[in-house]
Amino acid sequence: DAKTTQPPSMDCAEGRAANLPCNHSTISGNEYVYWYRQIHSQGPQYIIHGLKNNETNEMASLIITEDRKSSTLILPHATLRDTAVYYCIVRPYAGGTSYGKLTFGQGTILTVHP
Amino acid sequence: GAGVSQSPSNKVTEKGKDVELRCDPISGHTALYWYRQSLGQGLEFLIYFQGNSAPDKSGLPSDRFSAERTGGSVSTLTIQRTQQEDSAVYLCASSLPLTSGSSDTQYFGPGTRLTVL
Repeated sequence: DAKTTQPPSMDCAEGRAANLPCNHSTISGNEYVYWYRQIHSQGPQYIIHGLKNNETNEMASLIITEDRKSSTLILPHATLRDTAVYYCIVRPYAGGTSYGKLTFGQGTILTVHP
Repeated sequence: GAGVSQSPSNKVTEKGKDVELRCDPISGHTALYWYRQSLGQGLEFLIYFQGNSAPDKSGLPSDRFSAERTGGSVSTLTIQRTQQEDSAVYLCASSLPLTSGSSDTQYFGPGTRLTVL
């Protein structure tokens, strides 16, 4: 079962920032927070990941709270092409035979409108 | 560079037939994963390879499902005696070697859409 909680859907106006929240209150010290998105009929696309520090790349920023129990993915200037299902996933970074797999929840359907 | 590729992109088969789905990972990626996504369902993990061995097969739904990987590269997922409930998009992902202390991002292919009539 997924270890994250996300709102089922969100809307955002084109050109505005999209802030997608994720709760992961049971996260362990050896687990990263990963974000993927899936545009209709495509495979999931990696966005960003982090352990405890905030991260930024060309696609998005990831803000992780100090207690690591929640995070927010920020798309700074959303476009229509950002309409997708966004998945927040916690994943251990080392140890065990099954630590490589990703466990997807239901994600957040983000709709960017003109 | 080239991403993960999968073939065929679409496969329609009759109930009871066997099917083979192929995944070509990103060059140099020794870790390979299979997932599937059924209509209206989330993505579920099937099996993970590190090199040619599969340390985690926990997601394979029945013994009709098997996967192999040879030469540490291409992988084939085989479904025997297909059933209608096997209809789904089968996704493959690959990553750099999983080593302690590193985080290894998985990159996904476009998937194979399997329809069992």
